[in-house]
Amino acid sequence: GENVEQHPSTLSVQEGDSAVIKCTYSDSASNYFPWYKQELGKRPQLIIDIRSNVGEKKDQRIAVTLNKTAKHFSLHITETQPEDSAVYFCAASGTYKYIFGTGTRLKVLA
Amino acid sequence: KAGVTQTPRYLIKTRGQQVTLSCSPISGHRSVSWYQQTPGQGLQFLFEYFSETQRNKGNFPGRFSGRQFSNSRSEMNVSTLELGDSALYLCASSLVSPGQGQPPLHFGNGTRLTVT
Repeated sequence: GENVEQHPSTLSVQEGDSAVIKCTYSDSASNYFPWYKQELGKRPQLIIDIRSNVGEKKDQRIAVTLNKTAKHFSLHITETQPEDSAVYFCAASGTYKYIFGTGTRLKVLA
Repeated sequence: KAGVTQTPRYLIKTRGQQVTLSCSPISGHRSVSWYQQTPGQGLQFLFEYFSETQRNKGNFPGRFSGRQFSNSRSEMNVSTLELGDSALYLCASSLVSPGQGQPPLHFGNGTRLTVT
């Protein structure tokens, strides 16, 4: 069936370093790839997204890359800060449906 | 604009009971989808509604059902509750624009269901 694999499940980085989270999807019909950040006890919030006709998108310290051939997409956070600590979810969306990865718990150590 | 509102925030039920959760989408959003969130499993898709029609559903047993009303508000129902149904249930709404592709989801704060 359709699934999204997300790695790593936990990631610890020093403040100021970069963090990379990778996802692989299985459904070739997926054409929209958002990333959500969920802080403890809060709702998931969209931080960046990319559509299948684009290879890379950047918004300040965060960027997302997409390789449709390999069915891979990645989140890159540069110059990490303590407030970046949260759980990050990737998702792949096709027709009226989102499939989420299992999440990455990012800890930014001061 | 008010965000997605889910009620109640917390529920405690006993095995075998049934439960109904409610979701009011952002004004103007006609698509509502539901997700189950458990530790280690991430967010699992339950179903999606648009204009009172279920357009897609995930791999959950028939005990999980939902509906959407003409004002876009949605409810989900779980019958014959099991211990494993304990989870955070998240509702999300989105603004569907023809020709714009899949829209981003806007989540509510969720309903935390505990089954004892």
